[in-house]
Order: sequence, then C-alpha cells, then structure tokens
Amino acid sequence: DAKTTQPNSMESNEEEPVHLPCNHSTISGTDYIHWYRQLPSQGPEYVIHGLTSNVNNRMASLAIAEDRKSSTLILHRATLRDAAVYYCILRDMEYGNKLVFGAGTILRVKS
Amino acid sequence: EAQVTQNPRYLITVTGKKLTVTCSQNMNHEYMSWYRQDPGLGLRQIYYSMNVEVTDKGDVPEGYKVSRKEKRNFPLILESPSPNQTSLYFCASSLNFAREETQYFGPGTRLLVL
Repeated sequence: DAKTTQPNSMESNEEEPVHLPCNHSTISGTDYIHWYRQLPSQGPEYVIHGLTSNVNNRMASLAIAEDRKSSTLILHRATLRDAAVYYCILRDMEYGNKLVFGAGTILRVKS
Repeated sequence: EAQVTQNPRYLITVTGKKLTVTCSQNMNHEYMSWYRQDPGLGLRQIYYSMNVEVTDKGDVPEGYKVSRKEKRNFPLILESPSPNQTSLYFCASSLNFAREETQYFGPGTRLLVL
C-alpha cells in the first residue's frame, strides 16, 4: 500500500509562511495526494488535494514534485488557528474507500 | 450549513450495555464511514457505506455494527461494549467514494467503557 513520510513536528512564527513536506516515493500514477488537518479536540478537516499539478485554494497551496515522489503543503501566512496535526494521505485504487491516516506532522505556531 | 453531526459527543457506559452513536449528514452524500482514533494508532476505519443498504467492513470492525436505512444517517452500534472500545469516534461522509472526493468529518464522540 502507498505510504507517506512526514516530519513528526514543525514550528513556525505567526504571519510567516510554513512549508510542510511529505515524501511518498511509492506513489503510483493514479494516486491522489490529499492533505487533512486536525485541530485540537476536533475532527479532521480537508485542506487540499492534487494529482499532478500544483493546486491553490483559500486555505493553502500544494506543490507536487515533478516525479510526484514528494509534495509540500504551503500555508502562506500561519496563524495561531493553524496549529494542528497535518496529515498527508495518498488515495489509491485499492484504498479508494477510506483515508489511511499516518502519524502526521504536529505544527506549532508561535506568536 | 453543510455538516456532519454526531450524538452524543461524550458517553460513559459500562461493559455490556448496548449503545448507539448516531451520525447524520445534510449534504446528500452517498458515502459514509466510521473511524476510531487511538493514541499511537491514528485513525482507523471501522465500517463504511457506499449508499443506502450497502455497508462493508473497514480495518477494525470487530465489536461494531452499522446500518444505512436512510441516505443521511449512519449509526454505529456497539451491541456489547468492552473497555477496549474506549476511543474517540469520528463519522465522515463524502459525495461518493471516488479517490478525488473530499471527506467531511463530524466533531467526534468520546466514549469511555468502564
């Protein structure tokens, strides 16, 4: 099964950009890259997803490497509200019916 | 407002006493699922449903039952709860089960089985 590797934790200053990396060296050509986050005491929430091209939405940007073996979630200006666990997830043909959550990256934002 | 709701949010019960955790979505989604979250084990899928009357087991279905009689509701039933089912439970839904679809999660139900 496709797996992802993320740093255990990262720290950022408020109002600064944050780049959260994810390695997925076993990704196949049809796997979608999804990012979810989980704020303290809340359910996971969708952030962004992509297949091959870089993606932007109101929450973040997703930069996907040309070989698709890695991706980076970019929060352009971190706020205290962005402190959460961020999960990088591959959705593949076999696991299309569920999200396989890893340990994620704990993002701490300092004021 | 589009949302997934769960009830109750917190529940303390005793071993063997049947309980039901309700899940409802107002987005007309076909796909719904249940996850449990435990420290060190992350989120794991319990059951899922691709539409009304269509359900299937996830990774950790033992000790749980589900039903999908209406599109909007997907209750999780613990017929005889045991302490190892103490966990944080999340219901989720998405338009369908396609890989590019977003899943929307409920706020969670924290269950303690004594």
